[in-house]
Amino acid sequence: GNSVTQMEGPVTLSEEAFLTINCTYTATGYPSLFWYVQYPGEGLQLLLKATKADDKGSNKGFEATYRKETTSFHLEKGSVQVSDSAVYFCALSDVGNQFYFGTGTSLTVIP
Amino acid sequence: DAGVIQSPRHEVTEMGQEVTLRCKPISGHNSLFWYRQTMMRGLELLIYFNNNVPIDDSGMPEDRFSAKMPNASFSTLKIQPSEPRDSAVYFCASSSGTSTGELFFGEGSRLTVL
Repeated sequence: GNSVTQMEGPVTLSEEAFLTINCTYTATGYPSLFWYVQYPGEGLQLLLKATKADDKGSNKGFEATYRKETTSFHLEKGSVQVSDSAVYFCALSDVGNQFYFGTGTSLTVIP
Repeated sequence: DAGVIQSPRHEVTEMGQEVTLRCKPISGHNSLFWYRQTMMRGLELLIYFNNNVPIDDSGMPEDRFSAKMPNASFSTLKIQPSEPRDSAVYFCASSSGTSTGELFFGEGSRLTVL
C-alpha cells in the first residue's frame, strides 16, 4: 500500500542554520508529492509540490526534489528563520486522489 | 477566493451531547476530506467523499460518528453521543480531484468534550 515516512522530530535549529527534513515514500504508480506546513493554531497549508520524477518544488526558500530512484522527497532550506517554526508534513497523492500524510516534524528555530 | 470554510471554530460541550461540525469546500472542488488531529494520534483521515459520494469511511472511529455531503457545497460531521476522547481538532479539506491537485485545508474546528 501507499505510505509516507518522515523524519522524527522535534528539530531545533539556530537562526540561519541549514534545514533538512527527510521524507521517503512507498507507492504504486506515479504519485504526486507535497510538503505542507502547519503554524500553531492553523490548518495545514501547501508549501510546495512536485508531480513527476526529477521535478523540484520550491517556495519561500524551501526546496524538495522528487527522486524516484530513492523514493524520496527531502525538504531543505539554506537559512532558516524564527518564522519558519512550525510542523511540516510530507504527503503523497495517488491516481485515485487519495492522500497519505507522514506523521509531521516539528521545527523550532531559536534566535 | 474563499478557501475551505469550517464552523464552528471552537466548540465546548458536555459528554453525551450531539456535536455537528460544518464544512463548505472550495467552489468547483469535487473531493472532500474530514481529518482529525490529536497530539497522541496525529492527523487521521476519517472519511473521503468524491462527487458527494462517500468513497472511504474506514477511518470513522465508530457508529457514534457520521458524515454527510448532501450537495457539492456543504458537508457535516456529526458525533452523537460525544465522549471526552473525541476532543480534537477536526479539519475539512477539499481538492479538485485530479491526481496532481493539492488538498486545501480549512482552519479547523477545535472540539472539547467535558
